[in-house]
Amino acid sequence: EAAVTQSPRNKVAVTGGKVTLSCNQTNNHNNMYWYRQDTGHGLRLIHYSYGAGSTEKGDIPDGYKASRPSQENFSLILELATPSQTSVYFCASGDWGYEQYFGPGTRLTVL
Amino acid sequence: QQQVRQSPQSLTVWEGETAILNCSYENSAFDYFPWYQQFPGEGPALLIAIRSVSDKKEDGGFTIFFNKREKNLSLHIKDSQPGDSATYFCAASSNSGTYQRFGTGTKLQVVP
Repeated sequence: EAAVTQSPRNKVAVTGGKVTLSCNQTNNHNNMYWYRQDTGHGLRLIHYSYGAGSTEKGDIPDGYKASRPSQENFSLILELATPSQTSVYFCASGDWGYEQYFGPGTRLTVL
Repeated sequence: QQQVRQSPQSLTVWEGETAILNCSYENSAFDYFPWYQQFPGEGPALLIAIRSVSDKKEDGGFTIFFNKREKNLSLHIKDSQPGDSATYFCAASSNSGTYQRFGTGTKLQVVP
């Protein structure tokens, strides 16, 4: 049973539309993360969270919001999606100074 | 700025050879260095990790060599197999509350 799950796995959105990507973890980790992966850039951190109710900006937060309503769930929200946000998005959980556990990814296409 | 750098960007080796992937970092506070392996269509998964108190870590055919003074490390994949073909990410963090920084990855192809 996968410890980090993401939904949806694939999403096509229109420019200007709202997109919500969801993540659930059963590792009981305090920290959760959202990354995007693009060729040539590796994994870039968008937002992260220390625990329920907290969200922090990562390295590339512009155009994204995050929500952590519970220990298990962490969402990434694109209020006004743009084609530049077409990417593969990964959620992860993990404690400071230890490995991170990644979900399977969501492929987002913004037309 | 890129705090973790990897080279080469891509690497092709013959089956049975040793593949060497390089990584360097800037922040002296980093003390935990995991390597993640990613297959197409999947999320990255931990392969092997080292802490800065050690200079070498082995796990099966995978070995990390770590040089704290030079702030670099390398992953050696001994007797490479086609199943090792994947993208490998070097990362760095500290347990004092900084999140992991990732390199841009090395795409390894092992040719039969």
